[in-house]
Amino acid sequence: AQKITQTQPGMFVQEKEAVTLDCTYDTSDPSYGLFWYKQPSSGEMIFLIYQGSYDQQNATEGRYSLNFQKARKSANLVISASQLGDSAMYFCAMRESGGSNYKLTFGKGTLLTVNP
Amino acid sequence: EAEVAQSPRYKITEKSQAVAFWCDPISGHATLYWYRQILGQGPELLVQFQDESVVDDSQLPKDRFSAERLKGVDSTLKIQPAELGDSAMYLCASSLDSAYNEQFFGPGTRLTVL
Repeated sequence: AQKITQTQPGMFVQEKEAVTLDCTYDTSDPSYGLFWYKQPSSGEMIFLIYQGSYDQQNATEGRYSLNFQKARKSANLVISASQLGDSAMYFCAMRESGGSNYKLTFGKGTLLTVNP
Repeated sequence: EAEVAQSPRYKITEKSQAVAFWCDPISGHATLYWYRQILGQGPELLVQFQDESVVDDSQLPKDRFSAERLKGVDSTLKIQPAELGDSAMYLCASSLDSAYNEQFFGPGTRLTVL
């Protein structure tokens, strides 16, 4: 079974509107972290936001917020007031604490296109 | 602002040739990661170093791939011989230590094997 599922291969949004990118995860580890990264066409991965499994409140970073629903195992990214520069691939990732390596497992990504 | 450096940015090679990629992590970062990202997919961890030691290379094809971080600072990933299926983006990342939340990624090396 996939550990991270992103069901939206592509999404379109009008500039200045909000958009939600979906992410569901699968783990039996009680302690885990969820991340969102942005990857522009240039290729570098840019960290956006982090949510720990024990965090009581949803994480927010500027225009990014993470809608964390633990019981449903979902960690959707909400981008408010979309900008043209938000057009990129977006990856959801999970870090489990089992073992000592804390490695990240990534989903397949969602390509977001912001239209003017 | 501190960044992870990678070179080359692009590499075209013929199958059966040897290729090498270099990564210089952010100064002071003990943990270094090499990821492979095939087109249309998310990155997949190849190898993780804690200082100069390998802590996870379970997904590294060891018959053709090797990685080293001799002094616990910069790192080299080598493929010999390269195969057509190795065409991908190779991303290096570093973090303060393995338990630290954020991994910082370099710009990547895009490999094309002809």
